[in-house]
Amino acid sequence: QVQLRESGPGLVQPSQTLSLTCAVSGGSVRSENYYWSWIRQPAGKGLEWIGRIYTSGSTDYNPSLKGRGSISVDTSKNHFSLRLSSVTAADTAVYYCARGVMVRGLMRLGWFDPWGQGTLVSVSS
Amino acid sequence: QSVLTQPPSASGTPGQRVTISCSGSSSNIGSNTVNWYQQLPGTAPKLLIYSNNQRPSGVPDRFSGSKSGTSASLAISGLQSEDEADYYCAAWDASVGWVFGGGTKVTVL
Repeated sequence: QVQLRESGPGLVQPSQTLSLTCAVSGGSVRSENYYWSWIRQPAGKGLEWIGRIYTSGSTDYNPSLKGRGSISVDTSKNHFSLRLSSVTAADTAVYYCARGVMVRGLMRLGWFDPWGQGTLVSVSS
Repeated sequence: QSVLTQPPSASGTPGQRVTISCSGSSSNIGSNTVNWYQQLPGTAPKLLIYSNNQRPSGVPDRFSGSKSGTSASLAISGLQSEDEADYYCAAWDASVGWVFGGGTKVTVL
């Protein structure tokens, strides 16, 4: 079955750019009816959707990021990546990647399954 | 503050029925399906209920979901100790994208 695994630096300095990669195994990032998302969770808090990318390269982001997020996909490596610029302490969280399932071609009728194990990113000098 | 509203906690003794509510609006729950995720301590969220009331393969039938108007609920019947976890509802919002509830911590007494 499809498995996802996040990787990247665990510590990022304030004002720098956070970069994470999600490796997909057991399936292809080019699969139809799926898209690829990033979701984060600050310690002791709830989940926040960051954004998504479809195999075509089209993207959507949570407006709360105010344009700081960028998601890309590398079909040759079967992985997708997140870049979050100008980070502050408020961006400290566990970052999860997840596969989004579409129903009848619509994200809004779908769900996230599976999720990666998550990776903790701390923003600190 | 989360777009979807859940009670922060719920509890019950083994064998009891516990219900968790999730309240939204016409731009999210009112016009889209609801999913529920279970997050066991120290682990990633896992899909528990999708499309309002569907269980993925492997999820026990003591978990059930329902939706009415702009609210949804998750019920756990026959509560077991291994059900101690955080539970999150989620739906697509026309303005924001995917939104989640703040999470409900279920404690088995």
